Amino acid sequence: AQRVTQPEKLLSVFKGAPVELKCNYSYSGSPELFWYVQYSRQRLQLLLRHISRESIKGFTADLNKGETSFHLKKPFAQEEDSAMYYCALGTYKYIFGTGTRLKVLA
Amino acid sequence: DAGVTQSPTHLIKTRGQHVTLRCSPISGHKSVSWYQQVLGQGPQFIFQYYEKEERGRGNFPDRFSARQFPNYSSELNVNALLLGDSALYLCASSQGPGQTFYGYTFGSGTRLTVV
Repeated sequence: AQRVTQPEKLLSVFKGAPVELKCNYSYSGSPELFWYVQYSRQRLQLLLRHISRESIKGFTADLNKGETSFHLKKPFAQEEDSAMYYCALGTYKYIFGTGTRLKVLA
Repeated sequence: DAGVTQSPTHLIKTRGQHVTLRCSPISGHKSVSWYQQVLGQGPQFIFQYYEKEERGRGNFPDRFSARQFPNYSSELNVNALLLGDSALYLCASSQGPGQTFYGYTFGSGTRLTVV
């Protein structure tokens, strides 16, 4: 069965500390993976897609097929990174994880 | 460009009633998808429409239906509302189905409360 697991509901870090938001997936084929972010009172928006291997707002995510993971990382957290982060697996439809709320403390 | 627009933003309905939610995609986008987001959960796929045809359906009962119009806007209909249908309903648009490279653009959602 296709599934996305985000084990942490809440992650609190201090400003300037490294951040890692975990995402594990279950999929039998070649996965297409994304990270979406939702800032307070804003709509869900695309942050990263694994296929483009990009870095957005200092965030990166590497697909590890052996560990079936797509963790989101940032070396130095900023207060404006505080938001809800969703990992998604999909093609024409997305399968979302339950999300991780990131709080960056001053 | 107004982005993906959804209406209404909030709605309160009584159990057993029917509801219609509306979505206008980004200009030039021909595909619309609907997701249900229950509090504390990630969005769950309900439907995808492309060129007015249903291209995919999630694990939702037949009380849920949708359609897409010639201008690519879409309606989501839910009959015989249950308390458990209370959720944020999100619409997402894309140029076509499976536009995984660019991802989807989401609307702000319609918050449905069933009492």
